[in-house]
Amino acid sequence: QVQLQESGPGLVKPSQTLSLTCTVSGGSISSGTYYWSWIRQPAGKGLEWIGRVYTRGSTNYNPSLKSRVTMSVDTSKNQFSLKLTSVTAADTAVYYCARGSPSDGFDIWGQGTMVTVSS
Amino acid sequence: DIQMTQSPSSVSASVGDKITITCRASQGISSWLAWYQQKPEKAPKSLIYAASSLQSGVPSRFSGSGSGTDFTLTISSLQPEDFATYYCQQYHSYPLTFGGGTKVEIK
Repeated sequence: QVQLQESGPGLVKPSQTLSLTCTVSGGSISSGTYYWSWIRQPAGKGLEWIGRVYTRGSTNYNPSLKSRVTMSVDTSKNQFSLKLTSVTAADTAVYYCARGSPSDGFDIWGQGTMVTVSS
Repeated sequence: DIQMTQSPSSVSASVGDKITITCRASQGISSWLAWYQQKPEKAPKSLIYAASSLQSGVPSRFSGSGSGTDFTLTISSLQPEDFATYYCQQYHSYPLTFGGGTKVEIK
């Protein structure tokens, strides 16, 4: 079955760019009418949707982060990615990638990766 | 943005109890609502989509209902593995938003 795995640096300095990749295994990232999302969760807090990307390239971002977020898909590698610029300590969180669909919400999640913003 | 409000924020219950968690949307979302279960240090797991459809493999003691602005998640007979935090999420419009969570604890 389809599985997702996040990867990227666990420590990012303030004002720098956070870059994460989610690798899709067990199926093609291009199959079906799915979109691919990033969601984050600060320690002890709730879930915040960051944005989503379709394999054809269209994106939607959370307005609270829109000016700093870029998402993209690499179908040849079966991966999608997140870039978040100008990070601060407030961006410290566990970052999850997830598969979503217009009818079903998020049915598959990665295990999550902790990113700490600190000098 | 559509605000999702869950209640209660926490509930203490015993194995075998029936519990109900409520989620209210700040505007109508039809049935575009999902429920997730999250255990400590784990990723959320999808339980219910389209307000009342059970994800494959999810036990039938979980059920969801509602449409428009008011929704409920019911666990008919709590099992030890059900003690976790539960989140609702709307996918009617962007930005997608989650409720604040309901922690189900052992009494």
